[in-house]
Amino acid sequence: EVQLVESGGGLVKPGGSLRLSCSASGFTFSSYAMHWVRQTPGKGLEYVSAITNDGDSTFYADSLKGRFAISRDNSRNMLYLQMSGLRPEDTAVYYCVLSSAVHWGRGTLVTVSS
Amino acid sequence: DIQMTQSPSSLSASVGDRVTITCRASQSISSYLNWYQQKPGKAPKLLIYAASSLQSGVPSRFSGSGSGTDFTLTISSLQPEDFATYYCQQRYITSWTFGQGTNVEVK
Repeated sequence: EVQLVESGGGLVKPGGSLRLSCSASGFTFSSYAMHWVRQTPGKGLEYVSAITNDGDSTFYADSLKGRFAISRDNSRNMLYLQMSGLRPEDTAVYYCVLSSAVHWGRGTLVTVSS
Repeated sequence: DIQMTQSPSSLSASVGDRVTITCRASQSISSYLNWYQQKPGKAPKLLIYAASSLQSGVPSRFSGSGSGTDFTLTISSLQPEDFATYYCQQRYITSWTFGQGTNVEVK
């Protein structure tokens, strides 16, 4: 069974940093691209970032370039999102998503507030 | 970026009603279009992929159609468990974009 489990969310002050992790199991992690998608409270879904299966190529939403960095460790079946320069508008639930878009994690909540 | 525009943003319906939600892309996305259902506190659930293919395990009352820029999600006979928010999503380019959502509520 495919499982994606996010962790690392929490409360952070504006300008702060946070690293999200996603632990993957139940499939050959190194064979699939992975994505991060976020959802602001009470609002819709927003694409954040993606990474190819080998980690050689990364993609970001234009509004996030330079502040967020996606990475992966195929030896550990782990996906990461390093977030810096956090702003209140980054407050959201962050989901880890398998490239097929069938499988989503449960999400981890990031709150940016002073 | 490719913009996805859904309509309506909300609708009220009764059990047994036929419900139609539309999604328009700002440029052609061929059939690279997914539909999701989301309930409060849960992750989105994939219903339809490639515009018209039913995801395994999804009831056949859900169907999708369209290609290019105009797409439709139809629920043929609304059931109590179908009251939720529905999103379209383009996968034509790696930078996915989502519609703003359609909230289907009890009439």
